[in-house]
Amino acid sequence: LAKTTQPISMDSYEGQEVNITCSHNNIATNDYITWYQQFPSQGPRFIIQGYKTKVTNEVASLFIPADRKSSTLSLPRVSLSDTAVYYCLGRLFNKFYFGSGTKLNVKP
Amino acid sequence: GAGVSQSPSNKVTEKGKDVELRCDPISGHTALYWYRQRLGQGLEFLIYFQGNSAPDKSGLPSDRFSAERTGESVSTLTIQRTQQEDSAVYLCASSLKWTSGSYEQYFGPGTRLTVT
Repeated sequence: LAKTTQPISMDSYEGQEVNITCSHNNIATNDYITWYQQFPSQGPRFIIQGYKTKVTNEVASLFIPADRKSSTLSLPRVSLSDTAVYYCLGRLFNKFYFGSGTKLNVKP
Repeated sequence: GAGVSQSPSNKVTEKGKDVELRCDPISGHTALYWYRQRLGQGLEFLIYFQGNSAPDKSGLPSDRFSAERTGESVSTLTIQRTQQEDSAVYLCASSLKWTSGSYEQYFGPGTRLTVT
């Protein structure tokens, strides 16, 4: 079973860097690892994906170690609007597994 | 362009009734996914389609649940004899055909189902 495990919640202050780690022991070996953001009463929104090492886009960075059994989403200089739930997503065969989600609470 | 749309946005039904939820994917997206999200919980995968074929239906919670897709277009998720435990938001997503393990999914706003 492709279990994806994340911390339940994290607190941060505006302007800080936040790192959220997801453990995914047996996702499909050839797949990208993907992260999503979800605000209340909305569907999840794609943030970033990567296969290995480090990927950076305009909103986040993603670090993936060589064994690909975990990944870390890094949000630089968070703001109040980054308060949301963050999910990692993995696949095993024909099923997709979202992590339990990390609720990030950004304080002023 | 238009995103993923779902209808109805809200559905209240009585226990034992059948409901049909609809998803219109982004044009050109060959893959379509259904998830369920209970209040305050994470996303539970139900089924995915590549074209109009669903390779694995074992994620559907029970035989009261069924899903179909017409070509590479609209999909319907049907729940027969609804139970109170079916109350949740049902989310649909679509993506381009998988290429090299990449499947960026675009989500609709969801259908909130309440079974009374």
